[in-house]
Amino acid sequence: GESVGLHLPTLSVQEGDNSIINCAYSNSASDYFIWYKQESGKGPQFIIDIRSNMDKRQGQRVTVLLNKTVKHLSLQIAATQPGDSAVYFCAENPGYSTLTFGKGTMLLVSP
Amino acid sequence: NAGVTQTPKFQVLKTGQSMTLQCAQDMNHNSMYWYRQDPGMGLRLIYYSASEGTTDKGEVPNGYNVSRLNKREFSLRLESAAPSQTSVYFCASRGPGGGNQPQHFGDGTRLSIL
Repeated sequence: GESVGLHLPTLSVQEGDNSIINCAYSNSASDYFIWYKQESGKGPQFIIDIRSNMDKRQGQRVTVLLNKTVKHLSLQIAATQPGDSAVYFCAENPGYSTLTFGKGTMLLVSP
Repeated sequence: NAGVTQTPKFQVLKTGQSMTLQCAQDMNHNSMYWYRQDPGMGLRLIYYSASEGTTDKGEVPNGYNVSRLNKREFSLRLESAAPSQTSVYFCASRGPGGGNQPQHFGDGTRLSIL
């Protein structure tokens, strides 16, 4: 497998627990945010996004919360499953054509 | 649904050799991107192409060149590979709608330079 997970903060949970992964973003001008999931040997996979005019958005088993006051983003995963084990990272759009990515958090789910 | 396709998946080069990494997308996206991913560093942008016919430098462009061959294809070239370029390279594309659209990624090229 790849070593992309080395040196990353790690969150370990039991199957069935709820998981919360946090991200601090850097640019107060950012108006769009994305969460990605990256499994070993794969490319980043889009999970959910949120625009800055919202503070919460829900998907299937996932919820993203945005707190613009403290520049904080979180991803909540309900009823975490072993298949959720991966590296999760956030990305922000500071108004350009490009995104700025966080370094990621590794989620480990034990059966 | 192929999405973003990268070739090759793996490659080993010797220092000084040249190589082109290929990327193609079938989603009719305007914008395409090349990133490198190193342990503990996250994704770093090498070059991008906001639309067919344009390319721009990203955060770490030194040692690389790109070509936006047509709307579908965006290639990354290493003219003289160095060990510091050992990395996993990802290509991504994004549809229209300004910056408020997610980028979609390929599964990467794992490149080792000896």
